Amino acid sequence: NAGVTQTPKFRILKIGQSMTLQCAQDMNHNYMYWYRQDPGMGLKLIYYSVGAGITDKGEVPNGYNVSRSTTEDFPLRLELAAPSQTSVYFCASTRERQIPGEQYFGPGTRLTVT
Amino acid sequence: AQSVTQLDSQVPVFEEAPVELRCNYSSSVSVYLFWYVQYPNQGLQLLLKYLSGSTLVESINGFEAEFNKSQTSFHLRKPSVHISDTAEYFCAVTSAQGGSEKLVFGKGTKLTVNP
Repeated sequence: NAGVTQTPKFRILKIGQSMTLQCAQDMNHNYMYWYRQDPGMGLKLIYYSVGAGITDKGEVPNGYNVSRSTTEDFPLRLELAAPSQTSVYFCASTRERQIPGEQYFGPGTRLTVT
Repeated sequence: AQSVTQLDSQVPVFEEAPVELRCNYSSSVSVYLFWYVQYPNQGLQLLLKYLSGSTLVESINGFEAEFNKSQTSFHLRKPSVHISDTAEYFCAVTSAQGGSEKLVFGKGTKLTVNP
């Protein structure tokens, strides 16, 4: 199992550009999550999904969009990049009613918006 | 809703010294509690968890945490740290009533173990 994979590892965007952060898991997990991590601020939930075709907002969804067409993939879309979106982005997954709270994290994508 | 407060943002210690990383939580319902560890340039990994039963839980690498309901705390301890324990540690909470299994994380504590 590759677990949770994320691409790209690093990206520099100019203000106003768009991009999609990719996330895939091969563990047949139905729950998937996107977090952003800023220094000294911990992790903030952006969006999450409880299954294919179902997504919901987390704590900081503004400026982002998601889709979940398959169980395996959960891409995060930035439409108009802003400097405030400079952050490290983590994707995570878990299986419903497996071990509560045991989320599996990807290695992260470091995004800089200039 | 739940919230987590990690009382120390940075904890420097010497190798083989004991360490305690403090975590307090707030919730109106019963909770599950977790400690996650993040080594440099990596994602988070689950270190240990409290779901029910014994209030003292242990990890495979010598860490332990004690759930204290009256003080709403879940402090992480290790009696003797190694250089390899240098990492950022996150306390997290989720409602025990289930649902989307969303975690609420604290802001993290950077543990630096010096030789």
